[in-house]
Amino acid sequence: QVHLVQSGAEVKKPGASVKVSCKASGYTFTKYYMHWVRQAPGQGLEWMGMINPSSSRATYAQTFQGRVTMTRDTSTSTVYMELSSLRSEDSAVYHCARVSSHWTIYYFDYWGQGTLVTVSS
Amino acid sequence: DIQLTQSPSSLSASVGDRVTITCRANQSINLYLNWYEQKPGTAPNLLIYAASNLHSGVPSRFSGSGSGTDFTLTISSLQPEDFATYYCHQSYSPPQTFGQGTKVEIK
Repeated sequence: QVHLVQSGAEVKKPGASVKVSCKASGYTFTKYYMHWVRQAPGQGLEWMGMINPSSSRATYAQTFQGRVTMTRDTSTSTVYMELSSLRSEDSAVYHCARVSSHWTIYYFDYWGQGTLVTVSS
Repeated sequence: DIQLTQSPSSLSASVGDRVTITCRANQSINLYLNWYEQKPGTAPNLLIYAASNLHSGVPSRFSGSGSGTDFTLTISSLQPEDFATYYCHQSYSPPQTFGQGTKVEIK
């Protein structure tokens, strides 16, 4: 059974960085890309980027370029998302989501439970 | 970026009603359209992928249709557990984007 378990809630000050983890189990970690999606309070879903756990190559949304870094540790089947230079607008729930495909059509079939990041002075 | 516009933004319906939610893209995305359900305080759950394919374990009262720019999610007979927010999502071209959501509330 596939599980994605994320790290706990974080409170950070403006300008700080946060690193969220997502531990995968129940499948071959290196065979599925992992994405990160965030959701500000009462708002919709925003795609942040993705990482290939096999190669460690990451691709980021333009909105977060220069502030986000996605990494992985194959020994623990864990992916990480680090966001720097935090501002109040970064307060949100951050989800990891595994990608599967139907031919070339990608979709998120499993999601982590979410990690609430609060940015406040 | 590809914009997805859902309508309506919210609706009120009764148990047993047939509910239809639409998602319109500002350019053709072929069949690269997925639907998710989200309940408060939880992660989204996949309902439909590639426009019309029912994800494993999802009740058959959910269905999806459409291609190109216009897509529809239909719930044939609304159940109490279906009161939630529904999002469409395109994976045609990066950055992947989501609709703004449709909140389905109890009438």
